[in-house]
Order: sequence, then C-alpha cells, then structure tokens
Amino acid sequence: RKEVEQDPGPFNVPEGATVAFNCTYSNSASQSFFWYRQDCRKEPKLLMSVYSSGNEDGRFTAQLNRASQYISLLIRDSKLSDSATYLCVVKAGSTLGRLYFGRGTQLTVWP
Amino acid sequence: GAGVSQSPSNKVTEKGKDVELRCDPISGHTALYWYRQSLGQGLEFLIYFQGNSAPDKSGLPSDRFSAERTGGSVSTLTIQRTQQEDSAVYLCASSSPGLRSSGANVLTFGAGSRLTVL
Repeated sequence: RKEVEQDPGPFNVPEGATVAFNCTYSNSASQSFFWYRQDCRKEPKLLMSVYSSGNEDGRFTAQLNRASQYISLLIRDSKLSDSATYLCVVKAGSTLGRLYFGRGTQLTVWP
Repeated sequence: GAGVSQSPSNKVTEKGKDVELRCDPISGHTALYWYRQSLGQGLEFLIYFQGNSAPDKSGLPSDRFSAERTGGSVSTLTIQRTQQEDSAVYLCASSSPGLRSSGANVLTFGAGSRLTVL
C-alpha cells in the first residue's frame, strides 16, 4: 500500500463552485501534513500546512482526521486561477523521517 | 541564496552518455530531496539526504543513478549510461527539519532540470 493516496481526478468545476479533495495516509505515526500546489510545467509550491484542529486560509480549508488517517482540502468560490494539481504531503513518523507525496489531484476551473 | 538553485535548466544528451545535475539548496537547510517527474505524471521520489545521516536511497530506480551531497550543502545527481526512459524533469527540494518550528519540513523546490535523452 502506498504511503499517501489521492484521487487523481480530474475534477472539472465551474467558477464559484466548492470542491473538496481527500487524501489518505498509511502510517498512523505520521506527524506533519501539507497541501502543495503544482501549476503546469512548474515546480510544486506549498499551499498550506494542515493542523490537527483544522485551519483556514481565505477560501481554502484543510482538515485532518487522525482516526481515519485522511486529510482534506476544501476550496470555496473556485477561481480560474485555482486550476492546478494539488498534492497531499505527509511526513513520516520520526523527526528525521522523509516527506511522502501523493500523485496529486488535478483541478480545472472553467468559466 | 534565497531559493533552491538547479543547473542545468535543460539538458539534451545522447543515449549512453553520463549526465550530472546540480542542486544548491537554501542555506541552512539540512534536508535535501531529489525527485523526478515525467510528463503528466506525479513526483517520483529518488533520494533523501538529512544532515549527516545515511541517505535514503530507496527511490533510485537503478544502479545507474547515484547522488552525493558534499559538505552538507550542494548535491549532485549522476545518471550513467542514460536511457530514453530517463527523460524527465529532475526536481530538487530542501527543507529544515524539526517538528514544531516555523517552516519545519516545508519543502522549497528548485525550478528543475529538464533532461531529454535522444
């Protein structure tokens, strides 16, 4: 089983829609969680960290469910500029453990 | 420097040649990763360096691939006897370790080295 699994999509939504992505991880000792965004032909960039109590950054809300070992990202009021691939990232359990990337979920927002 | 620097940005080589790709991480970042990404595919983990610990080489696809990190800073990824399937963008990223410190484990990626093997 892969460390991090995501639905690859694609998700195609109209502007203004709300869209949610889920990601599951296999290591229950995982400690840190992130969402990255990758635009076409560009390198991935951090979108937001995911905290245990859930956190919000503008139109973006991230949630962590440790019991079920999944992370979610909710995007409200989608913009054309939100079109990208969203990568779920999990840090392995130890302090020096490495980061594991999901394959990414592709989102296209259409006008 | 302010960001992760990779060179060359583009490399075209003939099958069977060796190539070296360089990564200069953010100063002070002890963790360094190499990934590769083929067109339309996800990130494929190659190797992970963390401080003075032995590197995690579990992602290297064959013994033609090797990587070094000298002095805990600059890293070089070497591909020997390149094959056409090695064509991809090779991405380097660095981060600072830790559990709770601000910015810990946040990866900053370089712009990548696009390798084309003819």
